[in-house]
Amino acid sequence: NAGVMQNPRHLVRRRGQEARLRCSPMKGHSHVYWYRQLPEEGLKFMVYLQKENIIDESGMPKERFSAEFPKEGPSILRIQQVVRGDSAAYFCASSPSEGSGDIQYFGAGTRLSVL
Amino acid sequence: AQTVTQSQPEMSVQEAETVTLSCTYDTSENNYYLFWYKQPPSRQMILVIRQEAYKQQNATENRFSVNFQKAAKSFSLKISDSQLGDTAMYFCAFMKGGNNDMRFGAGTRLTVKP
Repeated sequence: NAGVMQNPRHLVRRRGQEARLRCSPMKGHSHVYWYRQLPEEGLKFMVYLQKENIIDESGMPKERFSAEFPKEGPSILRIQQVVRGDSAAYFCASSPSEGSGDIQYFGAGTRLSVL
Repeated sequence: AQTVTQSQPEMSVQEAETVTLSCTYDTSENNYYLFWYKQPPSRQMILVIRQEAYKQQNATENRFSVNFQKAAKSFSLKISDSQLGDTAMYFCAFMKGGNNDMRFGAGTRLTVKP
């Protein structure tokens, strides 16, 4: 059973470009979470999605950031018009159900560098 | 809002010794979950241990155990017989019951010395 797959592992963008980060959850998991980790800090929750639905986006910046989890295919975190402050590691996690306290299994992250 | 505090930015321990990492949290909730995650240099986040707040018994996973003090809102991680592969960042995390997002502490960098 493959784990949570994130790609790319590293992404370099120039200011003003768009960044698209992909996450395929573990097989059988229908819940996806995105977190951001700045250098030397813990992970910060961004958004929680189920198939075709955004459940909680309270941690997502209001502008330039969007996320989706379509019926088919991976979850996508999209950052438009990137700025240097967007440079961070972005982690995706998945869980099998919406049971409270479910263990979230993490991918290896995508490190975004904005030049 | 829930906050998670890890007061030890860095710690070190000799191989085969025991080390305890501290974590405190602030919440008014009675139903919640606590986690310790390990992040080695590969940056992969790996679950170490999980504790349900309604359980008084401390969770254990092989060499890893916790000291969960609900009244004191403390959730420390004890690593026994430390191994070189335990070298990593360790993050304490809180999840409110009924929610699905975790709140992480800032982490403790643990180095196991040969």
